[in-house]
Amino acid sequence: EAGVAQSPRYKIIEKRQSVAFWCNPISGHATLYWYQQILGQGPKLLIQFQNNGVVDDSQLPKDRFSAERLKGVDSTLKIQPAKLEDSAVYLCASTPTGLSNEQFFGPGTRLTVL
Amino acid sequence: AQSVAQPEDQVNVAEGNPLTVKCTYSVSGNPYLFWYVQYPNRGLQFLLKYITGDNLVKGSYGFEAEFNKSQTSFHLKKPSALVSDSALYFCAVRDIINFNKFYFGSGTKLNVKP
Repeated sequence: EAGVAQSPRYKIIEKRQSVAFWCNPISGHATLYWYQQILGQGPKLLIQFQNNGVVDDSQLPKDRFSAERLKGVDSTLKIQPAKLEDSAVYLCASTPTGLSNEQFFGPGTRLTVL
Repeated sequence: AQSVAQPEDQVNVAEGNPLTVKCTYSVSGNPYLFWYVQYPNRGLQFLLKYITGDNLVKGSYGFEAEFNKSQTSFHLKKPSALVSDSALYFCAVRDIINFNKFYFGSGTKLNVKP
């Protein structure tokens, strides 16, 4: 089975610019997660979708970050405008329905804000 | 509040020796526990999980983990380390009461020396 796809793999932008990341989860996985992983730290949840609805976005800086999963399949995370502290790896993960299931992670997008 | 602690930033072992990477957790309800590994420039890769049943869980690449309810621990172990095991290891707990969120530890870097 195909894994979680993310693009781009790397992105370098200037501060105050905008950027978007794309994620295509494993087919049939209802739950999709976006994480921010700063160097040397564990993943921090930004937003969690169940199908096309938001389950939890309490850690998403909503003044600059937005995310959508319009058809309950792929998802886009946007940052506008970017700040230096947004430099991180953005990971997308998905899980099938069921509490015992583990997450499947994509390769991540490494964002550098200059 | 739900949380995961990995008390060691780094663990150094010699190839062929046994290794242990420590993890303690705090969660309401029954713990759903996971271990992931991350290689450079890659996403997280699932190793093993404890949901219920035997306290000793076996996973990928010869890894196993021991669940200890009284000590709220879920330490990752391997009887004989390989140089190729050198990577970043994350422990995670799933909060099945609160949106099925995953909480990750800060990670432990495992260095296996030849």
